[in-house]
Amino acid sequence: TQLLEQSPQFLSIQEGENLTVYCNSSSVFSSLQWYRQEPGEGPVLLVTVVTGGEVKKLKRLTFQFGDARKDSSLHITAAQPGDTGLYLCAGDGSGNTPLVFGKGTRLSVIA
Amino acid sequence: EPEVTQTPSHQVTQMGQEVILRCVPISNHLYFYWYRQILGQKVEFLVSFYNNEISEKSEIFDDQFSVERPDGSNFTLKIRSTKLEDSAMYFCASRNRGLSNQPQHFGDGTRLSIL
Repeated sequence: TQLLEQSPQFLSIQEGENLTVYCNSSSVFSSLQWYRQEPGEGPVLLVTVVTGGEVKKLKRLTFQFGDARKDSSLHITAAQPGDTGLYLCAGDGSGNTPLVFGKGTRLSVIA
Repeated sequence: EPEVTQTPSHQVTQMGQEVILRCVPISNHLYFYWYRQILGQKVEFLVSFYNNEISEKSEIFDDQFSVERPDGSNFTLKIRSTKLEDSAMYFCASRNRGLSNQPQHFGDGTRLSIL
């Protein structure tokens, strides 16, 4: 059974601080997707990383896929209150396999 | 931007009753999925569907569950005899190709409450 461990589970920081969220597994994934989920809504895709070592930037968010494609990180620079939310990583296998989700990191950015 | 739509947004049902959750995937997508999220827990896979048949299903997806694509646009999840533990958010997702670099897009979910 593939598992994805996300850490930290909860994170509360001041506006302007930097933070990193980690997503780790003992399994290799073909790709990894990061989603953001607001209360009462579905996960909204932020990025897909496919190649080992790949780095993608989305404004102040930087996503990295580990060289071995077993782990990923999300780094937010100068966090803002609008970044508050639940961040989910999800691993994708080969072919049409279902996504394996982590438990999520609930981020709170205080003004 | 095209999106996955789900109805109803909230369904309240008595235990033992049948419930049908509806989804309209993105129009050019071919692969469809149902996931559920029990309050406070992680998103769990239920079933995947392609070419009018189930591709894969999890242990959660027992005989009480079924899926159907009755026409060219809808994708439904039926629970035949609901149990209290079926209370959860149910998410439909779709993607256009069965490749891992093609992301799954999610609807906003149906909150199912079993009384």
